[in-house]
Order: sequence, then structure tokens, then C-alpha cells
Amino acid sequence: DTAVSQTPKYLVTQMGNDKSIKCEQNLGHDTMYWYKQDSKKFLKIMFSYNNKELIINETVPNRFSPKSPDKAHLNLHINSLELGDSAVYFCASSPRQGYTEAFFGQGTRLTVV
Amino acid sequence: DAKTTQPTSMDCAEGRAANLPCNHSTISGNEYVYWYRQIHSQGPQYIIHGLKNNETNEMASLIITEDRKSSTLILPHATLRDTAVYYCIVFGAAGNKLTFGGGTRVLVKP
Repeated sequence: DTAVSQTPKYLVTQMGNDKSIKCEQNLGHDTMYWYKQDSKKFLKIMFSYNNKELIINETVPNRFSPKSPDKAHLNLHINSLELGDSAVYFCASSPRQGYTEAFFGQGTRLTVV
Repeated sequence: DAKTTQPTSMDCAEGRAANLPCNHSTISGNEYVYWYRQIHSQGPQYIIHGLKNNETNEMASLIITEDRKSSTLILPHATLRDTAVYYCIVFGAAGNKLTFGGGTRVLVKP
């Protein structure tokens, strides 16, 4: 069983579209994250949720809206996609806030054309 | 969280030990040293972490200097599958996020 799963794995879309990436973890963890890895390969945290509550928002544009329907899921919705949004997006989870043995998903490669 | 400095890249021979250095001279007393790696096209993978004592698990060993200003990750018998980017991260108990730097790109050669 995959511990942290993301769908889709690849996403190609046109500028201006709205898209969502889904993430699910079956580890029973309380905390979930979204990271963005750009073309220069730097991994940057975007959001963190703990028990469905937002605890980190790293000055991400308002076009990005995370949603956590329950603590096993953290989805990322992106409005009005721009070329600069092209990147690999990773979801991760950890047992609790401040516990950094995190488990990462396989990533979603988003390409905006 | 304290900043870390790692070499940009290094090569290692298959079957030999790989020693990956990390400097964290501004580390404070309650901050841990974490190591992650990212194999090409995969998500980061946790390897090991420590506070001040040396640590060992099935993947690697972590050696932290007595002054805690630097550490070394040791992969005892590198294999081709260990080719990856290795990240050294300093994280405080009061923190709530992992901050990744540039890491060290390790290439294990036959």
C-alpha cells in the first residue's frame, strides 16, 4: 500500500485553467504538507495542515487554495494557472506538528503551456 | 532554524563508503540534524536524524561533532541506487516545517 499517494502524477494544462491535485495518506498522520520543486530543484514548503487546520501558508499566491476535508486528505486547487506554476508538487505527511520524519508522495509534475 | 552548508556534488565508488559532510555552525542547543535524500523523479526520503550522539540505522550512520557545528552522513557500502541528492537540514523542536537547501548531488559510479 502506498503511504502517501498523489493524483495525477502528470498534469499538462493551458494557462488560465483551474486544476486540482489530490493527496491522501493512509498512515494515520495528523500533519500534511504541500511542497513545490521548481526547475532549479529547490524544494519549498507551501502549506501545512494539522488536523485539518492550516498552520503554515508560505506567502503563496491566493490562486493556490489547499483544502483538507479530513486529516487523511490534503488537496491543492490552483486557479488561473500561469506558466510559472510549472513545477513538481509534492505532498507529505508526518505523525504530528513539529515531527519531521515526513513521508513524501511521488510528486505531481504540472506543466502549464 | 539554522542554515546548513553542503558541497554541491560528489562522486563515490560503488561498494565504498560515502561520507557526506554538512556544516551547521549556527546550530542551537535544541536543534536536530536531519538527513533526507531525493532519488531522481521521486519524493524526498527520510534517512536519519540526531541531536548530539552518533546515530546508526539500516540506511546510514550520522556522526555529529562534539561542538555540533558539523556532521557527516555515512553510507557504509554505496550502491548505484544510492545515487541521489542528499539534504542536510537543521530543525528545532519548536519549528513546524522542513526547509530544504541545495543539497549534495551524489553520483555512485561502478
